[in-house]
Amino acid sequence: NAGVTQTPKFQVLKTGQSMTLQCAQDMNHNSMYWYRQDPGMGLRLIYYSASEGTTDKGEVPNGYNVSRLNKREFSLRLESAAPSQTSVYFCASRTGENEQYFGPGTRLTVT
Amino acid sequence: GQSLEQPSEVTAVEGAIVQINCTYQTSGFYGLSWYQQHDGGAPTFLSYNALDGLEETGRFSSFLSRSDSYGYLLLQELQMKDSASYFCAVRDRGAGNNRKLIWGLGTSLAVNP
Repeated sequence: NAGVTQTPKFQVLKTGQSMTLQCAQDMNHNSMYWYRQDPGMGLRLIYYSASEGTTDKGEVPNGYNVSRLNKREFSLRLESAAPSQTSVYFCASRTGENEQYFGPGTRLTVT
Repeated sequence: GQSLEQPSEVTAVEGAIVQINCTYQTSGFYGLSWYQQHDGGAPTFLSYNALDGLEETGRFSSFLSRSDSYGYLLLQELQMKDSASYFCAVRDRGAGNNRKLIWGLGTSLAVNP
């Protein structure tokens, strides 16, 4: 039981490049989330998916798109990376109640 | 709007007890959660209070008072490994969708020998 996995762990992009962050969970959770974390800013929700086939914007969705490919996988895409998107990105999934399980994170630097 | 406030930093010594407070402003919520995050790591779930009162899990306890819009995390018998950031979060009933959490900015706890 791997929990929540994310790839890649580290990535450096040049401004304007695109990339997709991958997330998968093997706990059969319905809800999945993408957060970014910047120093002093806590966790900010980018997008979430309450169930397979649905996605909704969070607090900071601009510059990102998501796909809930199936129940296991929830990907985050940066179409044209900007230095302001330098951050640590966490994917999470949730049980029926309250506990969110987080992946190990992707550390993204945009130069 | 919805917001949670917690102290940015707390310092304590090994073996001591420390309390991290969280005050919140929401139109209504389901419960208060606490997460721990070590440097370079991912947040991990510590506790959840749906009802007023104290929940105890080993050395950690969490408390909620809805009437005071206040909760806290209590860490006893502090160990060096407890040095981490601690986040409070609520599931906001008023957001129209109860699947999102609203997060505090985190409290950095330093445990000294």
